[in-house]
This record gives sequence, C-alpha cells and structure tokens, in this order.
Amino acid sequence: AQSVSQHNHHVILSEAASLELGCNYSYGGTVNLFWYVQYPGQHLQLLLKYFSGDPLVKGIKGFEAEFIKSKFSFNLRKPSVQWSDTAEYFCAVNALNFGNEKLTFGTGTRLTIIP
Amino acid sequence: NAGVMQNPRHLVRRRGQEARLRCSPMKGHSHVYWYRQLPEEGLKFMVYLQKENIIDESGMPKERFSAEFPKEGPSILRIQQVVRGDSAAYFCASSPRDRGSNTEAFFGQGTRLTVV
Repeated sequence: AQSVSQHNHHVILSEAASLELGCNYSYGGTVNLFWYVQYPGQHLQLLLKYFSGDPLVKGIKGFEAEFIKSKFSFNLRKPSVQWSDTAEYFCAVNALNFGNEKLTFGTGTRLTIIP
Repeated sequence: NAGVMQNPRHLVRRRGQEARLRCSPMKGHSHVYWYRQLPEEGLKFMVYLQKENIIDESGMPKERFSAEFPKEGPSILRIQQVVRGDSAAYFCASSPRDRGSNTEAFFGQGTRLTVV
C-alpha cells in the first residue's frame, strides 16, 4: 500500500520569503501526484498535478513542484510567498494499479505567512 | 457546470442518532470518493463508488458506516448511532475517470459533523 509523508507540520514564513514543502511517498510503481490547498473553512483546491512528462510542474498562484523519481519526492515550491498563501497544503498520491482509484494524502503542512 | 455539491455543510447530531451526508458529483462524473478529515490530520480515504457499485470500501469502519451511490440521486454516506469520535469533516470527491486514463478528482466543500 502507498503512503505519503509530509515532514513539515507547521511552517511560518515572512512575506516574500521562498517556500519549499517536502513530500515523499512510498510506492514502487507508477504514480500520479497532486498538491492540494485548503484555505481556512474551505474545500480542497488543486494546486498542481503530475501525470507524466516534464517532472517540473507549474500550477496556479505561482506554485511549482518537482517530481524526483529516484527520491520518491514531489516537493512544492514558491519563490516568493504572500500573506494570502496562508493555508494548509496536502500532498497526495494515486498509485496506478488497475482498479485502485483512491488518493492517499499526507497529514498536511500548515503554512502561516507573517505580513 | 456546478462543482461537487455536499449537503448539509454543518450537521449536529446527538450521540446515538443517525447522520446522513449527501454528495452530488459534478455533471458527467460517475465516480465518487468519500474522505474523512479528523482535527489536525490529513484526509483519510473511506470508500470509492461508481453508480450502484461499491468499488473499494477498505477505509470504511466495519460497523455503523455505509455508503451508496444509486442510479438516480446523490451519493449518501450514512453513519448510524453516532459517537463523539465521528466528529470530523467529511469530504466527497468525484471524477469522470475511465480506467487507465489520468484524471483528477474534484472536491466538495465538505460536511462538518459534530456529535454532542
């Protein structure tokens, strides 16, 4: 079974700082990878996704993530954060077994941006 | 095209009562997933359904919890005889996924269940 680890539970940054949130997964086969964001009191929104091709994926709101297969990692990055990026960020994996459609989520990273 | 609709948004139940959570997938989506988010935790998969079929219920508690996705109408997650530990946010997601294709799941706004 696949699992997802997000080692940063709570990250506090000042505005304009650079951001990198770690995500590692355990599964030896082919995967689809996702980053979701959850603003306070709201539902999950997709930031970006990786299915295949270029391992550097660009998403909405200036976020990007890099898939490094050898490290089983899919870290999220943003060069300059804003106060409005304060939210919870979830990494998720979908292992591409036939019939296995579910997403496995990490425990999330709470990001707090200080103005 | 409306998004995934969940209702109610907030539900308060006394211990021992039943909770019914509804999810209408996006138009054209025939795959529904339910997830539970406990306080300070990530989302945990509960069940995956297609129309009239339960495909994967490996994340469902063995007792008191059931789910259905009938041919007509929304998907229902039912929790019987609720206990305080059932208090959580329950999220539904839908996708149009055909097996073998790469698609993403779209999430609803969730139902926050509080058991008092």
